[in-house]
Amino acid sequence: GENVEQHPSTLSVQEGDSAVIKCTYSDSASNYFPWYKQELGKGPQLIIDIRSNVGEKKDQRIAVTLNKTAKHFSLHITETQPEDSAVYFCAATHRRETSYDKVIFGPGTSLSVIP
Amino acid sequence: DAGVIQSPRHEVTEMGQEVTLRCKPISGHDYLFWYRQTMMRGLELLIYFNNNVPIDDSGMPEDRFSAKMPNASFSTLKIQPSEPRDSAVYFCASSFQHGHYGYTFGSGTRLTVV
Repeated sequence: GENVEQHPSTLSVQEGDSAVIKCTYSDSASNYFPWYKQELGKGPQLIIDIRSNVGEKKDQRIAVTLNKTAKHFSLHITETQPEDSAVYFCAATHRRETSYDKVIFGPGTSLSVIP
Repeated sequence: DAGVIQSPRHEVTEMGQEVTLRCKPISGHDYLFWYRQTMMRGLELLIYFNNNVPIDDSGMPEDRFSAKMPNASFSTLKIQPSEPRDSAVYFCASSFQHGHYGYTFGSGTRLTVV
């Protein structure tokens, strides 16, 4: 079945450094790739997403890249801050106009930003 | 909007008891999802509704689990009887237009069955 792999499972960086989280997906029909941030005691929160018709999207310190050929997508956080510490989930799905496909979540990456 | 509202935030119950989790989705969202999160299995989709109709319940682990959505602003997830292995955080999420815009998750219910 469909699968999303995510690496690394844990990541520690010094404040101000960059963090990169990588995901691969198995379903070549996937065309929508959201990223969620989950802080302790809270539900996952959508922070950025990318559609398959673009290769990169940026929002302030966060960027996502997509390589459809390799079925890879990545989250890049620059100038990390302590408040970036959380668990990050990548996900993939095939969005259709008239029906719904299940969103497949990766296993998560626990990011720690050391002050 | 107050977002997706779940209650209770925490629930501790004894094995064999009935547990009911509640969710109020964002007004106007036409999809509602119930997820379970554990360390071992991550985020698991249990069931989802479209316009109050259950579409896919293949993720519901057993007949002990049931979910309803009597109207557009309310859904319940019931476990009867509960077992210790049901201990997890249960999330409700809602979405607009076939999930094209990502999900909005609630804060979750942490269930402990002793």
